[in-house]
Amino acid sequence: AQSVAQPEDQVNVAEGNPLTVKCTYSVSGNPYLFWYVQYPNRGLQFLLKYITGDNLVKGSYGFEAEFNKSQTSFHLKKPSALVSDSALYFCAVRPDGATNKLIFGTGTLLAVQP
Amino acid sequence: NAGVTQTPKFRVLKTGQSMTLLCAQDMNHEYMYWYRQDPGMGLRLIHYSVGEGTTAKGEVPDGYNVSRLKKQNFLLGLESAAPSQTSVYFCASTQTGGVYNEQFFGPGTRLTVL
Repeated sequence: AQSVAQPEDQVNVAEGNPLTVKCTYSVSGNPYLFWYVQYPNRGLQFLLKYITGDNLVKGSYGFEAEFNKSQTSFHLKKPSALVSDSALYFCAVRPDGATNKLIFGTGTLLAVQP
Repeated sequence: NAGVTQTPKFRVLKTGQSMTLLCAQDMNHEYMYWYRQDPGMGLRLIHYSVGEGTTAKGEVPDGYNVSRLKKQNFLLGLESAAPSQTSVYFCASTQTGGVYNEQFFGPGTRLTVL
């Protein structure tokens, strides 16, 4: 079955420290991978995507993600966390050949402490 | 551009009542989606549409119906609401033409069924 896993319900990090939010996937074929962020009482906002090419993808607000095919992972990273980065983060995969549908992970709550 | 808008923002229903959620987008997107978000479960696809007049079932379609009479609008109906349908509902849309495009989300509708 095609799926996305976010193994951590919550990640805590101090402001200024690097952050990583983990995501692994299981799909057949070439995956198209996405990260979205959700602030309280808001809809999801697109952060970045991996389609092909360079394994390190840069996105909005200083975030980046590293695609690792051998480990089937697509971890979200940021060199220096801000308190304003505190939000719910979703990893999603668009299985190859799907009708633009997305499979979402369960989400990881990022809490950045001042 | 307003992007993706959803009406209403909040609603409380009694078991057995019916209602329609309206999603509208002004980006001329072909594809539209309805998701529900429940704690610990991420977003799950209810129904989707790949064009005016077409709809298809997603992962959790039971108890819901949809219609896409106009390209810009995608309606989600609950004919006989049940407490299990208490959730936050998100609409999304995306451009046509392949798997590369990110989805744009509305702000959500919080529905409580008593």
